[in-house]
Amino acid sequence: AAGVIQSPRHLIKEKRETATLKCYPIPRHDTVYWYQQGPGQDPQFLISFYEKMQSDKGSIPDRFSAQQFSDYHSELNMSSLELGDSALYFCASSRENQPQHFGDGTRLSIL
Amino acid sequence: AQSVTQLDSQVPVFEEAPVELRCNYSSSVSVYLFWYVQYPNQGLQLLLKYLSGSTLVESINGFEAEFNKSQTSFHLRKPSVHISDTAEYFCAVSGTGTASKLTFGTGTRLQVTL
Repeated sequence: AAGVIQSPRHLIKEKRETATLKCYPIPRHDTVYWYQQGPGQDPQFLISFYEKMQSDKGSIPDRFSAQQFSDYHSELNMSSLELGDSALYFCASSRENQPQHFGDGTRLSIL
Repeated sequence: AQSVTQLDSQVPVFEEAPVELRCNYSSSVSVYLFWYVQYPNQGLQLLLKYLSGSTLVESINGFEAEFNKSQTSFHLRKPSVHISDTAEYFCAVSGTGTASKLTFGTGTRLQVTL
């Protein structure tokens, strides 16, 4: 079965640079979620989109923005990167009231 | 607001022994409950879910969890663990509305040894 696809899998950036993470949800899933998992920590909710509209917002810095496109894929844009942004970034998708399915994540390292 | 408590950060256990990973939640509204498993350098895989119906839910690889509303718990159990069960286990809760976010516990590291 098709899964959630995230790209890139690994990304190395320097401080103050920008990064764009992409997420392709499972076909026919109408909701996309973004989570951030720091080293040794639990995933923290960042933002979600339902039918291409932002539906909820968590602890997402103002330097980050996201959107969901007409084909339901989503992009997380991160600017003015800081050392503390180094983390695993997960995208998940779901439909109706079904469980969220996660991608393999993007590991972002800030030098 | 919802919260999840996993009191045990690490649980060491010998192979073929039983195990229980504890999870308690707090919420002022109805919730769905989940267990996700994360192997090293991998994503989160759904292990079990409670949405409605029977309070005892089972996975295909021998894990089970029971939703206890009065104790606000959703403990994960397996009668006999295998080395391959070594992983990080996260309990999570969400609301029952459309597009509800997941709130995770801090995770329990299950370490299975011979």
